[in-house]
Amino acid sequence: GAVVSQHPSWVICKSGTSVKIECRSLDFQATTMFWYRQFPKQSLMLMATSNEGSKATYEQGVEKDKFLINHASLTLSTLTVTSAHPEDSSFYICSAVGGGYGYTFGSGTRLTVV
Amino acid sequence: SQQGEEDPQALSIQEGENATMNCSYKTSINNLQWYRQNSGRGLVHLILIRSNEREKHSGRLRVTLDTSKKSSSLLITASRAADTASYFCATEGATDSWGKLQFGAGTQVVVTP
Repeated sequence: GAVVSQHPSWVICKSGTSVKIECRSLDFQATTMFWYRQFPKQSLMLMATSNEGSKATYEQGVEKDKFLINHASLTLSTLTVTSAHPEDSSFYICSAVGGGYGYTFGSGTRLTVV
Repeated sequence: SQQGEEDPQALSIQEGENATMNCSYKTSINNLQWYRQNSGRGLVHLILIRSNEREKHSGRLRVTLDTSKKSSSLLITASRAADTASYFCATEGATDSWGKLQFGAGTQVVVTP
């Protein structure tokens, strides 16, 4: 079946630094990837839609300059949290669609900003 | 924004009992999906039901969809301790791009041995 690899699985960073999260489709080409954010005991909130070779589409209220998304190839999308602050601490999950596999989610990244 | 709501928010049952949770949504959909999430982990896709379907089964899972009421239910029969997790419904809107999902608030299920 389809596998989406997300790295790192957890990261701790200092306030003011930037963190990059990678989402890779391992055995299929993902024409579209989605990035979600999840606060503890809450649901997933869609942040942005990422299409290969084009600019990401951000959901209302999501700062595009803070959450930089790059989808440079059909198998890789990255989310960079720039100038991270403690309120950015959250669980970030990507999903990829393509290859006829339907919806495949990464295992998530736990970001803690101290 | 979240598509809808799920109830109950939390459910505690004993092994062998059935667990039922409900999901409501607001807009027209192409399909509705149910996912499971263990604490701090990614999502596992359980089942997808299309807008023209009313009921679907997969193993111990039974999903119903009532588009007139914009609601769905997930039934887990003969629950096991390993079923302890959070369960989310997610909808793909009729006007959304494929793969773009709106999630419900989730139901936290605890199955005690």
